Amino acid sequence: QQQVKQSPQSLIVQKGGISIINCAYENTAFDYFPWYQQFPGKGPALLIAIRPDVSEKKEGRFTISFNKSAKQFSLHIMDSQPGDSATYFCAASTGNQFYFGTGTSLTVIP
Amino acid sequence: SAVISQKPSRDICQRGTSLTIQCQVDSQVTMMFWYRQQPGQSLTLIATANQGSEATYESGFVIDKFPISRPNLTFSTLTVSNMSPEDSSIYLCSVEKNTDTQYFGPGTRLTVL
Repeated sequence: QQQVKQSPQSLIVQKGGISIINCAYENTAFDYFPWYQQFPGKGPALLIAIRPDVSEKKEGRFTISFNKSAKQFSLHIMDSQPGDSATYFCAASTGNQFYFGTGTSLTVIP
Repeated sequence: SAVISQKPSRDICQRGTSLTIQCQVDSQVTMMFWYRQQPGQSLTLIATANQGSEATYESGFVIDKFPISRPNLTFSTLTVSNMSPEDSSIYLCSVEKNTDTQYFGPGTRLTVL
């Protein structure tokens, strides 16, 4: 059973546009929701994370929106750049149990 | 954050052989994890390695196939034993710091012929 459902599987965005990736979960015990960015041939790198006591967190061009009642969270990349082309994974955690989404391959077209 | 290195970065191995992957962290950590990531797929947790105790394996992974050592708070190894082509994958170690946050190494890309 997939603990964290991620969509879309792939995404193509024009340079300057907004990229939006969505994740949903069922386990209300999750209390930490990170996003990871992975470039080909590299390990996943922590991008931004949120806890359920806030509804939004912003770091530069990256924003997490969190809807506790709907059990959904999303990553928004503003002013998307070709350098943002990578695979993005959402995750949900309770304690040290991490559950990863299936990943979204983002391509930003110049 | 944490700086994590893995050796080797990649290897091509023959069926039936074993490969040991090393993971080194720049600071002491309690929790270390080993993941497998098949091409274009998500991350699958193999086991959790705590210093001073036996590794805890996830469903579908066994110690005989993936023995793990954790001799100290900055180092761990994962061995892929009696390899088959189905073991071809990227193997990643990660560490937990600052409660809940996991940081990943660069990965080891394994190809089994």
